[in-house]
Amino acid sequence: GQNIDQPTEMTATEGAIVQINCTYQTSGFNGLFWYQQHAGEAPTFLSYNVLDGLEEKGRFSSFLSRSKGYSYLLLKELQMKDSASYLCAATDSNYQLIWGAGTKLIIKP
Amino acid sequence: IAGITQAPTSQILAAGRRMTLRCTQDMRHNAMYWYRQDLGLGLRLIHYSNTAGTTGKGEVPDGYSVSRANTDDFPLTLASAVPSQTSVYFCASSPGPQVGGDTQYFGPGTRLTVL
Repeated sequence: GQNIDQPTEMTATEGAIVQINCTYQTSGFNGLFWYQQHAGEAPTFLSYNVLDGLEEKGRFSSFLSRSKGYSYLLLKELQMKDSASYLCAATDSNYQLIWGAGTKLIIKP
Repeated sequence: IAGITQAPTSQILAAGRRMTLRCTQDMRHNAMYWYRQDLGLGLRLIHYSNTAGTTGKGEVPDGYSVSRANTDDFPLTLASAVPSQTSVYFCASSPGPQVGGDTQYFGPGTRLTVL
């Protein structure tokens, strides 16, 4: 079957760095998305990776290893506004998104 | 302002009633989607449409129907609501047709409670 695994919850300190991991198993693979979702709001797009390696966008970076079925989202210089859930989603052979349950990130001062 | 709107924002519904959730986008996107999001579970696809006039079933289609008469609108209908359909419903759209990197953009959601 198709499956996405990511930690349920993580805690980090303001100003620090945190890495949120995601492993996936899909029938076929056409790329991996990360979305951010603040409580009570809609998911918003953060990044897309289809090739192996690291993509950097300001304080956020996303990494993909296709051979390992693994991705991570790296958040640097954490701010209180980064407190949110982070959703990992893999695109299968039919270009449908398979979503993880999300990782709730709690930032402490 | 360009984007996706959903209505209503929230609704409490008696079991057995019929309900239509509305979704409209003004980005001229080809593809549209309906998801439900439940605590502890990932977003689950209910129905999708790759282009106006076509629809397809997602992971959890039972009890729901959709139509896509034009590019902008994609209503979701619950024919006879049941308590297990209590959830937050998100509509999304993407430029499409579905290809790698086809980013989905989400509406604000409808919080539905079925009693």
